[in-house]
Amino acid sequence: ILNVEQSPQSLHVQEGDSTNFTCSFPSSNFYALHWYRWETAKSPEALFVMTLNGDEKKKGRISATLNTKEGYSYLYIKGSQPEDSATYLCASQGGSEKLVFGKGTKLTVNP
Amino acid sequence: GAVVSQHPSRVICKSGTSVKIECRSLDFQATTMFWYRQFPKKSLMLMATSNEGSKATYEQGVEKDKFLINHASLTLSTLTVTSAHPEDSSFYICSARPIGGTAAYEQYFGPGTRLTVT
Repeated sequence: ILNVEQSPQSLHVQEGDSTNFTCSFPSSNFYALHWYRWETAKSPEALFVMTLNGDEKKKGRISATLNTKEGYSYLYIKGSQPEDSATYLCASQGGSEKLVFGKGTKLTVNP
Repeated sequence: GAVVSQHPSRVICKSGTSVKIECRSLDFQATTMFWYRQFPKKSLMLMATSNEGSKATYEQGVEKDKFLINHASLTLSTLTVTSAHPEDSSFYICSARPIGGTAAYEQYFGPGTRLTVT
């Protein structure tokens, strides 16, 4: 994989549903994997920075896992709420400070 | 904490004019700031890395004479789009890496600037 790929592109869920989405990234020359939450007209907000294979991080109802050997990360949201509606970006970081972003997954949580 | 502002948030200019976009770290100092561009339905693409007190490093395919970057202080970087053309219309967003942060790879983003060239 040469680019960072995110799936699905968009997702509609009902309030209370749990959901997850995927980020695939180049596994060679890996340094860190970033997840951001981006609401319209606001700054992308950093959720997680993950570096170690098998790493799992959690912030409230949101958690993420990392597999550096196969080059993927999952983001999970438990019990989705309307305020979780946003675009979720992942970015891969190689040996430098540069971030390579995916196109994002746009999540809409219907009340 | 770790707030980054951008100004303006939205700008419309005529073809051939120049536009300056400011990126400020409000509550921290940043030796390194990054400028990204996003076209519709595309991902954020890094344009250049701006280092305080030195020349910016541009990504392949980005014209340094067209996109002038100045990082004159530890809290301010500017991007000037010179002789703008309609194809420069895009969303421009900056990020800043704090000095002495808890992790060497933290980047904090501004809210972005929507540029429309008519």
